[in-house]
Amino acid sequence: AQSVTQLGSHVSVSEGALVLLRCNYSSSVPPYLFWYVQYPNQGLQLLLKYTSAATLVKGINGFEAEFKKSETSFHLTKPSAHMSDAAEYFCAVTHNNNDMRFGAGTRLTVKP
Amino acid sequence: DADVTQTPRNRITKTGKRIMLECSQTKGHDRMYWYRQDPGLGLQLIYYSFDVKDINKGEISDGYSVSRQAQAKFSLSLESAIPNQTALYFCATSQGGTGELFFGEGSRLTVL
Repeated sequence: AQSVTQLGSHVSVSEGALVLLRCNYSSSVPPYLFWYVQYPNQGLQLLLKYTSAATLVKGINGFEAEFKKSETSFHLTKPSAHMSDAAEYFCAVTHNNNDMRFGAGTRLTVKP
Repeated sequence: DADVTQTPRNRITKTGKRIMLECSQTKGHDRMYWYRQDPGLGLQLIYYSFDVKDINKGEISDGYSVSRQAQAKFSLSLESAIPNQTALYFCATSQGGTGELFFGEGSRLTVL
């Protein structure tokens, strides 16, 4: 069965600094990988997804993620953090689109 | 109006009571899901349905049941609620093959 592990339950960065949120996956078959964001008191919304096309995936709000098969990783990055990026971020994996498995989440805090 | 609507948004109940959480969608998607979110655990899949006649158990289905009354409606029931079912519950939809989930705003359930 597929699964994801998010390293770091909390990440704090200063406004303007690089954001790096880590995700490693486990899957016996080529996976589809996703990053979702959850703002306070809201449901999750899709940031970006990898579906075996380009390994560098660009998403909304300036975020991007790179699929690295050799490292089984799909880390999320943004060059310059904004205050509005403060939220919880979830990495997710599926291989057959039947059910999606989520990581435990990483809460991002952005300091002024 | 939201594309995926959950009712109620908040509910406090007592141990042993029967509870139903309802979800309706206007996106025309064929697939619907119920997830449970607990702090530090991410989202766990309870049940999912690919069409009205299709119901599948997820990771944590014990203590829960579902009903797909129509393509647009998917309800989650707790026959006899217990305190460790206190959580935030999310309904989600997807169109087959895309992998992207669209979430409702969540139903916060507290079982005393």
